[in-house]
Amino acid sequence: AQSVTQLDSQVPVFEEAPVELRCNYSSSVSVYLFWYVQYPNQGLQLLLKYLSGSTLVKGINGFEAEFNKSQTSFHLRKPSVHISDTAEYFCAVSVSGTYKYIFGTGTRLKVLA
Amino acid sequence: GAGVSQSPRYKVAKRGQDVALRCDPISGHVSLFWYQQALGQGPEFLTYFQNEAQLDKSGLPSDRFFAERPEGSVSTLKIQRTQQEDSAVYLCASSFLAGAGELFFGEGSRLTVL
Repeated sequence: AQSVTQLDSQVPVFEEAPVELRCNYSSSVSVYLFWYVQYPNQGLQLLLKYLSGSTLVKGINGFEAEFNKSQTSFHLRKPSVHISDTAEYFCAVSVSGTYKYIFGTGTRLKVLA
Repeated sequence: GAGVSQSPRYKVAKRGQDVALRCDPISGHVSLFWYQQALGQGPEFLTYFQNEAQLDKSGLPSDRFFAERPEGSVSTLKIQRTQQEDSAVYLCASSFLAGAGELFFGEGSRLTVL
């Protein structure tokens, strides 16, 4: 069975500093990987996705993530965060060719002025 | 509409009441998902529809939960005889494809059972 681990439940960071949100997954088969963002009282919105090809994926709002198959990781990064990036971030995995998406427990990013 | 629409946004029910939550997906999206999100947790899969067919209901916590999508568009999640542990945000998502495509989420229906 597939699983997703987001070890950091909360990450505080100062404005304009870099940030990395960690995501590890377990799967014995090929997977697709996603990062979603959830602002307060809103639904989830896709930040970026990895399906195949280049392991470095760029998304919206200046975020990027790198797929590392050997370490089964898909960490999310941003070189300089803004106050508006304060939100909950969810990593998700989907087994290639199936409909099942498994979400992590989320990381709350708090950007401090 | 342009996005996934869910109603009601907020629902307070007394324990034992029945509730119905509605999801209107993006037009043309064949896949529809229901997720349950408890406070401080990630979304947990409840059920999946491809058009009007419910292909997977393995995530429904009990037989008090029932979902339908009779015409392959609007879906309703019904919870009978609500209990306090049913309190959560219920998220609906749709996708043109499943397994590779982006999930488009509604804003959710927050259910509080007193």
